[in-house]
Amino acid sequence: QVQLVQSGAEVKKPGASVKVSCKASGYTFTSYDINWVRQATGQGLEWVGWMNPNSGNTGSAQKFQGRVTMTRDTSINTAYMELNSLRSEDTAVYYCARVDGSIDYWGQGTLITVSS
Amino acid sequence: DIQMTQSPSSLSASVGDRVTITCRASQGIRNALGWYQQKPGKAPKRLIYVASSLQSGVPSRFSGSGSGTEFTLTINNLQPEDCATYYCLQHDNYPPLAFGGGTKVEIK
Repeated sequence: QVQLVQSGAEVKKPGASVKVSCKASGYTFTSYDINWVRQATGQGLEWVGWMNPNSGNTGSAQKFQGRVTMTRDTSINTAYMELNSLRSEDTAVYYCARVDGSIDYWGQGTLITVSS
Repeated sequence: DIQMTQSPSSLSASVGDRVTITCRASQGIRNALGWYQQKPGKAPKRLIYVASSLQSGVPSRFSGSGSGTEFTLTINNLQPEDCATYYCLQHDNYPPLAFGGGTKVEIK
């Protein structure tokens, strides 16, 4: 069965960077885009960006451009999202998600807390 | 970019009621819309894809309709386990993706 398993929660200081991993299993990793979505506590879902694991092509929402980097390691079926220059407003649960048309599978989420 | 406007932001209904949630797109998106249910502390779960197709394993009391700019999620015979927040997601011009603001459904 399709699974996306993310790395654990992290606490970071303002200005630092964080890298979240998303290990895929149960399907051919390079056949479907991986997207990243975040959700601040009590708030809605916000699209962060996308990556094609086959080509490595990526893109992000305008508000994250220049601060987010999405990469992958196809040898271990894992996608990564790195967010730098963290600020308190980046405190949220970050989800990786597989896109087959729309999102069909989600990771369990990774809580990133930015606090001094 | 396409914007999705979802209404209402919250509602309260009784067990057995019919509930309707609407999403409007800022421009036509054909049928490229999905509906998701999210319970506290959990990842969202897809209920409906391409506007009206029921995801495998989802109870038939959930249904979706619409195309172009206006879409509806209907829950017939509301059950206590349907207490959750519901989101629409457009993917017509992917990337990007765009979510509606969410509708919190509570049971009276």
